[in-house]
Amino acid sequence: GEDVEQSLFLSVREGDSSVINCTYTDSSSTYLYWYKQEPGAGLQLLTYIFSNMDMKQDQRLTVLLNKKDKHLSLRIADTQTGDSAIYFCAESMDNQGGKLIFGQGTELSVKP
Amino acid sequence: ETGVTQSPTHLIKTRGQQVTLRCSSQSGHNTVSWYQQALGQGPQFIFQYYREEENGRGNFPPRFSGLQFPNYSSELNVNALELDDSALYLCASSLERDYNEQFFGPGTRLTVL
Repeated sequence: GEDVEQSLFLSVREGDSSVINCTYTDSSSTYLYWYKQEPGAGLQLLTYIFSNMDMKQDQRLTVLLNKKDKHLSLRIADTQTGDSAIYFCAESMDNQGGKLIFGQGTELSVKP
Repeated sequence: ETGVTQSPTHLIKTRGQQVTLRCSSQSGHNTVSWYQQALGQGPQFIFQYYREEENGRGNFPPRFSGLQFPNYSSELNVNALELDDSALYLCASSLERDYNEQFFGPGTRLTVL
């Protein structure tokens, strides 16, 4: 079945690294995504990783994928107050077109 | 290049009414997907339109219907509104069903009283 789970809250101090975790159940997932949502706004695609990769780095963002454990993480280096938002993990599958399956979201709070 | 736009931004309806939400896709994008995001939840896939045809549907009843026009803009229609339909409705556009690059609009906040 399709299910994506995330912890609900994370609080860090400015300048620290943040690690947001996600687990998914469907092993046929093709791509896995991280989206950011600020209050009152739509979703911003941060990054995505193909299921045959185990790591992707993009500036301050590092995505790690453990396909065996169906575990995805997003590390944000040097976290800033502007990074405070809700972060969603999502998966998609080749045979399901544009359907994205989202987790519940992790609210990241960055304290100065 | 304009991004994805949605209208209206907010809407209040009463139970049993009908509503139409609109989405203009990003320039050049021919695929539009609609999602429902209840408060405190992640978005749930409603359906996708590609070149004016429905191309996949999530677990939503038939009173949720859609259209895509030749200019690739799209409408989401919901009949017989229920209280649980209160949510943020998001549309996302992409090029040629390339779901790696789905760009989301700001959403329409629907409240059903």
